[in-house]
Amino acid sequence: KQEVTQIPAALSVPEGENLVLNCSFTDSAIYNLQWFRQDPGKGLTSLLLIQSSQREQTSGRLNASLDKSSGRSTLYIAASQPGDSATYLCADHPFNAGGTSYGKLTFGQGTILTVHP
Amino acid sequence: EPEVTQTPSHQVTQMGQEVILRCVPISNHLYFYWYRQILGQKVEFLVSFYNNEISEKSEIFDDQFSVERPDGSNFTLKIRSTKLEDSAMYFCASRATGGPGELFFGEGSRLTVL
Repeated sequence: KQEVTQIPAALSVPEGENLVLNCSFTDSAIYNLQWFRQDPGKGLTSLLLIQSSQREQTSGRLNASLDKSSGRSTLYIAASQPGDSATYLCADHPFNAGGTSYGKLTFGQGTILTVHP
Repeated sequence: EPEVTQTPSHQVTQMGQEVILRCVPISNHLYFYWYRQILGQKVEFLVSFYNNEISEKSEIFDDQFSVERPDGSNFTLKIRSTKLEDSAMYFCASRATGGPGELFFGEGSRLTVL
């Protein structure tokens, strides 16, 4: 059974700092990896999806990498801002050999990020 | 930008009552999902739905739960007789056919069972 773990559980940084959030998983079978942001009491906003065949994906100040051999993904946030404060979730995204996603994501417990001015 | 919408945003109910949570997925999406998040815990998969039938369900999704696509736009989750432990945030998600399978989530419906 897939287990997804995120480290650290919480992170507090001053504005402007570059930071890295970590996600590890136990089963490196065929999968994609999706990163989300969750504001308190709100829904999940998709940030990035890295396909199994990819090593990284970038969107603005965000860069996510995937290393299947070590069972790890990292989310890099450049020049952090107070508006980045939220919980960041990673989720394993399995699909079959035919490339069809099951949509049955396994989530980590999240990293609570606080960026203070 | 297209989005998944959910209603109600918050529902309070008495134990044993039936609850229906509603979702309008993104219009051209054909795969639909329900997830839930008990306070302080991980988001967990409940059920997936495609072509008017359940594709997969978790062990959480017992006979008390059912899903339906009553028309061309709505997707519902029914809890027949609510229990205290059903209190959670329920998220609806949808995805397009093909592609990498990125899931898009709604804002959630908070269910409080008293």
